Amino acid sequence: DTGVSQNPRHKITKRGQNVTFRCDPISEHNRLYWYRQTLGQGPEFLTYFQNEAQLEKSRLLSDRFSAERPKGSFSTLEIQRTEQGDSAMYLCASSLPGGNQPQHFGDGTRLSIL
Amino acid sequence: AQKVTQAQTEISVVEKEDVTLDCVYETRDTTYYLFWYKQPPSGELVFLIRRNSFDEQNEISGRYSWNFQKSTSSFNFTITASQVVDSAVYFCALSEGVGGYNKLIFGAGTRLAVHP
Repeated sequence: DTGVSQNPRHKITKRGQNVTFRCDPISEHNRLYWYRQTLGQGPEFLTYFQNEAQLEKSRLLSDRFSAERPKGSFSTLEIQRTEQGDSAMYLCASSLPGGNQPQHFGDGTRLSIL
Repeated sequence: AQKVTQAQTEISVVEKEDVTLDCVYETRDTTYYLFWYKQPPSGELVFLIRRNSFDEQNEISGRYSWNFQKSTSSFNFTITASQVVDSAVYFCALSEGVGGYNKLIFGAGTRLAVHP
């Protein structure tokens, strides 16, 4: 199966530490998205890449968050100086170009801040 | 502002009952796309259907059907003869974004519990 792959599945860390998540999209998909989902809510958009270019960032993405997609393939999302409020499920999705193309999601990385 | 409202937080039915999940959206765009996703207990969001704003034909796929009405800004989802495996959280989403309809705006989701 060559769906969207995210690592790690779970991350537990102490407040103030830095964390990095990885997303490997479906290979022919040039669009990649990051979302955050908290308990009982729908996913919220964080950022979007087309190939290696980061084209849109949500206001939710504070200065402590940075995302990269250096070669237009996998992407990383880093959170520096984590805070309690960062605890959430971080979802990655990818799609083919075009507005009507569905986004295909990975299983997510669940972040817990102690 | 773009917004998706799923007023039903939780629905509980007995197997074989029909159930309709409501979705109301707001957008100022004339061209947009609507989606439904399923999130089973395992957590992965599974794409179910996509609809563009110019196609108001209802769609049926097996036990699933979708009713899109622009006049009421609604895109409702009906499961006929529900099964236990249908138990999940269902999300309605709106696709918007300048020049390419990139990000999805999700509703809060409706948790469906189907009991045997």
